[in-house]
Amino acid sequence: RKEVEQDPGPFNVPEGATVAFNCTYSNSASQSFFWYRQDCRKEPKLLMSVYSSGNEDGRFTAQLNRASQYISLLIRDSKLSDSATYLCAVEAGTALIFGKGTTLSVSS
Amino acid sequence: DAGVTQSPTHLIKTRGQHVTLRCSPISGHKSVSWYQQVLGQGPQFIFQYYEKEERGRGNFPDRFSARQFPNYSSELNVNALLLGDSALYLCASSFSLGGNQETQYFGPGTRLLVL
Repeated sequence: RKEVEQDPGPFNVPEGATVAFNCTYSNSASQSFFWYRQDCRKEPKLLMSVYSSGNEDGRFTAQLNRASQYISLLIRDSKLSDSATYLCAVEAGTALIFGKGTTLSVSS
Repeated sequence: DAGVTQSPTHLIKTRGQHVTLRCSPISGHKSVSWYQQVLGQGPQFIFQYYEKEERGRGNFPDRFSARQFPNYSSELNVNALLLGDSALYLCASSFSLGGNQETQYFGPGTRLLVL
C-alpha cells in the first residue's frame, strides 16, 4: 500500500456541481493532514488543514477519518476557478508525504 | 510580507554537471524543506533543515546535499546530474519542525531541465 493515495483523475464537472476527493494514508501515527491546491506549473498552495473534527471554509469542507485512515475534500458549487490539481499531504515526522494529486476541471 | 523565494526560476544543465538551488524562507521561519516534483507526481521530500541542522532526509542518493545558513536561507546541491533529475524543485518554509498542524508554505520552485 502506498503511503498516500488519492482518487485517480481527472474529474470533469460543470459549474455549480459538488465534487468530492478522497485520500487514504498508511501511517497510523500521522497527526497532521493538509489539502494543497496546485495550478499548472505553479507551486502548491495550502487550501486547508484538516482537523479531527472536520472543518469548513466557505465552499470547501475537509474531513478526517482516523479509524479508516482517510481524509476527504468536498467542494460545493464548483467555479471555473476551482480547476486545478488537488494534493493531499500527510505529516510523517518532519516531512510531508504527498499523493499524486487529483485534477479537477470545471467547465461552463 | 514576502513569501518564500527561490532562485533561479529555471535552469538548464547537461548530464554530469552540478547545480545549486537557493531558497529564502518566510521572515521568522526557521525551518526549510526541499521537495522534488516530477511531472505527474506529487512533491517528494528530499531534506528538512531546522536551525542549520539536518532534521530529516528522504530517499534520495548522496548526490543530493543541502545546508542552511545562519539567516535560515538554504541551498540544495545536486552533483553528477542525471536526466531523471529533471523536475520542479520546491522549497517549503515553516516556523518550526512540524507536527501539530504546522503548515509548510511553498516557494515558486526552480524548474531544472537536464539534457
